[in-house]
Amino acid sequence: GENVEQHPSTLSVQEGDSAVIKCTYSDSASNYFPWYKQELGKRPQLIIDIRSNVGEKKDQRIAVTLNKTAKHFSLHITETQPEDSAVYFCAASHPYGNNRLAFGKGNQVVVIP
Amino acid sequence: DTAVSQTPKYLVTQMGNDKSIKCEQNLGHDTMYWYKQDSKKFLKIMFSYNNKELIINETVPNRFSPKSPDKAHLNLHINSLELGDSAVYFCASSPQEGSYEQYFGPGTRLTVT
Repeated sequence: GENVEQHPSTLSVQEGDSAVIKCTYSDSASNYFPWYKQELGKRPQLIIDIRSNVGEKKDQRIAVTLNKTAKHFSLHITETQPEDSAVYFCAASHPYGNNRLAFGKGNQVVVIP
Repeated sequence: DTAVSQTPKYLVTQMGNDKSIKCEQNLGHDTMYWYKQDSKKFLKIMFSYNNKELIINETVPNRFSPKSPDKAHLNLHINSLELGDSAVYFCASSPQEGSYEQYFGPGTRLTVT
């Protein structure tokens, strides 16, 4: 089955700096890669996703890049703000149907004002 | 209105009791899920239903029994609650086969004493 790993587990950045979180996946047949943000005590929320037919996608201050050859994808947050502090989960689609996602273990991002 | 809703939000109960958590989505999605998130924040898939049919059944104790009376509802019944069942349980839904994006409910924090 699909295995997803995230690095680093915790990331602290100064407000205004950029944050990058990287995920690797194991099954080359996976074709959908979302990122979820979970604030303390809240639900995971889909913030951006990418499919395997594109290499990069941007939405305001966040972007996701995908390297299919190396089987990794990254979340980039620019001009970080305190409200970006959260746990971020990456995921990859299981290639064998059932709309199943394999989640990484999450990264705690702390933005220091 | 909240697209994916769960009740109750908090549930405190004693070991050995039986309890249920309810989930409803008004998005017209075909697939619904139950996840367990423990204190380490890892999101673990438990069950998934597609149009009332069970399609994912992870290695979960048979004390846990999902029921989907229609495609907009997915309930989780837990018998003989144990201390290790304490966690946050998230319901999620996904539009249709192959779409993969999942939208989470607000979560139910279960505490077993």
